[in-house]
Amino acid sequence: GQSLEQPSEVTAVEGAIVQINCTYQTSGFYGLSWYQQHDGGAPTFLSYNALDGLEETGRFSSFLSRSDSYGYLLLQELQMKDSASYFCAVRGGGYQKVTFGTGTKLQVIP
Amino acid sequence: DAGVTQSPTHLIKTRGQQVTLRCSPKSGHDTVSWYQQALGQGPQFIFQYYEEEERQRGNFPDRFSGHQFPNYSSELNVNALLLGDSALYLCASSSESAGGKYNEQFFGPGTRLTVL
Repeated sequence: GQSLEQPSEVTAVEGAIVQINCTYQTSGFYGLSWYQQHDGGAPTFLSYNALDGLEETGRFSSFLSRSDSYGYLLLQELQMKDSASYFCAVRGGGYQKVTFGTGTKLQVIP
Repeated sequence: DAGVTQSPTHLIKTRGQQVTLRCSPKSGHDTVSWYQQALGQGPQFIFQYYEEEERQRGNFPDRFSGHQFPNYSSELNVNALLLGDSALYLCASSSESAGGKYNEQFFGPGTRLTVL
């Protein structure tokens, strides 16, 4: 089956940089996604990595190392509105199957 | 451009009953996936529909079934409800023909199901 591990909670200061790590186990890996979910809201797509390396989208960057079964989400210039839960999700065990981690709750403090 | 819509927003049922949840995908999307999200957990993949066929299923019993219509909208049916089925049910759409964008799923606001 598929399993993912990510820290349950992270606290960071407004304006700082924070990295959220994700390790995964899966058969037939196709790619790793990141989603943001505010309390009471729906998950919102942030990024997708199929190949090793760094993908940058504005203040957010995502990294993948397939050999290490590891990825991370990097958030720069943190803003209060970035306080949310962040999920890594692996596409594997069947191309259409996406398995989500349990989420990292990010709290941004002034 | 309407995003993914789901109905109803909230639903209360009793054990043993049956429920149908509905989803309309984002305009231009042809693929619909359903997820169950328990409080404090990540979404769990139930199944995915494309071209009116279920083509991938997660670890959910046969009590969970679905359907996709020619206009790409979809229904999730759950029979013989259990207390443990109480959760937020999310629908996500994507485009099979969008190449790399296929991996970008757009989620609806969800249906909050409470089983008493």
